[in-house]
Amino acid sequence: GAVVSQHPSWVICKSGTSVKIECRSLDFQATTMFWYRQFPKQSLMLMATSNEGSKATYEQGVEKDKFLINHASLTLSTLTVTSAHPEDSSFYICSATGQGDNQPQHFGDGTRLSIL
Amino acid sequence: RKEVEQDPGPFNVPEGATVAFNCTYSNSASQSFFWYRQDCRKEPKLLMSVYSSGNEDGRFTAQLNRASQYISLLIRDSKLSDSATYLCVVNTYYKLSFGAGTTVTVRA
Repeated sequence: GAVVSQHPSWVICKSGTSVKIECRSLDFQATTMFWYRQFPKQSLMLMATSNEGSKATYEQGVEKDKFLINHASLTLSTLTVTSAHPEDSSFYICSATGQGDNQPQHFGDGTRLSIL
Repeated sequence: RKEVEQDPGPFNVPEGATVAFNCTYSNSASQSFFWYRQDCRKEPKLLMSVYSSGNEDGRFTAQLNRASQYISLLIRDSKLSDSATYLCVVNTYYKLSFGAGTTVTVRA
């Protein structure tokens, strides 16, 4: 099946640091990738839709200047959490969907971000 | 009203038991439905898609009721390894909405 790789899996850093998370589709081309955030015991919340070659589409309430998304190729999207603060600590997950209508999304391994 | 609602559980069942739970969705225009499994601190993994006619994959059976706008998941002959959180996922115009998950714990 489709494989989505996410890196790093765990980050601990000081407040004010910017953190970049990579999401790669390993065996298929993904024109669209999605970035989610999940707080403990809550559902995944879509942050933004990443479109190859164009600007990302952010969900309401998500600061585009805070969460920079770059989808430079058909297999790579990056999320940069700029000047991270403790309230940004969360589980960030990317996903990509295969070709065709109504295909399920395949998720990356997730990145656990802890800001001290 | 939330787009997708699930009973959070937990459902504590003995090995070999059958456990079933539902998920309701609010948008009648939703097109496709999935059950994902998420283990603690891990990413969601696709368990199965849910088709209009209902479908089965081994010990897992999924049903869709469009009239009442709910989907269900039934697990037969529960194994210890089935312990996880099961996420109901609904696709509406290419946007996924997630339930908060139903926790299932299978005990020996």
